[in-house]
Amino acid sequence: QSVVTQPPSASGAPGQRVTISCSGSNSKIEDNPVNWYQHVPGTAPKLLIFDNDQRPSGVPARFSGSRSGTSASLAINGLQSEDEAVYYCTPWSDSLNGWVFGGGTKLTVL
Amino acid sequence: QVQLEESGGGVVQPGRSLRLSCAASGFTFSDYGIHWVRQAPGKGLEWVAVISYDGKNRYYADSVRGRVTISRDDSKNRVYLQMNSLRGEDSAVYYCAGGGNMDVWGQGTTVTVAS
Repeated sequence: QSVVTQPPSASGAPGQRVTISCSGSNSKIEDNPVNWYQHVPGTAPKLLIFDNDQRPSGVPARFSGSRSGTSASLAINGLQSEDEAVYYCTPWSDSLNGWVFGGGTKLTVL
Repeated sequence: QVQLEESGGGVVQPGRSLRLSCAASGFTFSDYGIHWVRQAPGKGLEWVAVISYDGKNRYYADSVRGRVTISRDDSKNRVYLQMNSLRGEDSAVYYCAGGGNMDVWGQGTTVTVAS
């Protein structure tokens, strides 16, 4: 079974940079694309990053993704209050033919 | 405007069945695969199932395989999730999401399994 591990929480002051990392056990992050989703409770989740480091149109450039080996990261520059949300690292699983969500990281803007 | 809207949620007893529906508008529905994702109370997101754009390929999470069937009706621009033998742990908000990267999401429909 694939397990994707993220820190449960992260925080930063407005204007700061925050990084959220994730690592995979049997999820082969190094071989498969990783997406990141932003979820504000009570609303629809939003695709933030796809294919490790690609931003959909409309997502601000201060959001960026990267992948290195068996880990992936989401960086948010110039933190804003509206960035408070839960962020999910989501690698593709060849064995499942589906996406595997990490446990989510709750971001608090101080 | 690209839009997905879920319906069909409700309160159901353990062991019973429920069918969720996902209605699409604003894009060529038959070109896109559709996923179902759920979030149990106090938990994170969990991918549930996907159906390919042509309906030929369907894949399921281990937690629902054998109890859930995903299907689509392109004439109605709808995808369905038939859930049987429901359990308490199936209680969740169920979202449908469109596109290979789950680019577009609906607002969700709530399923509560309780006696």
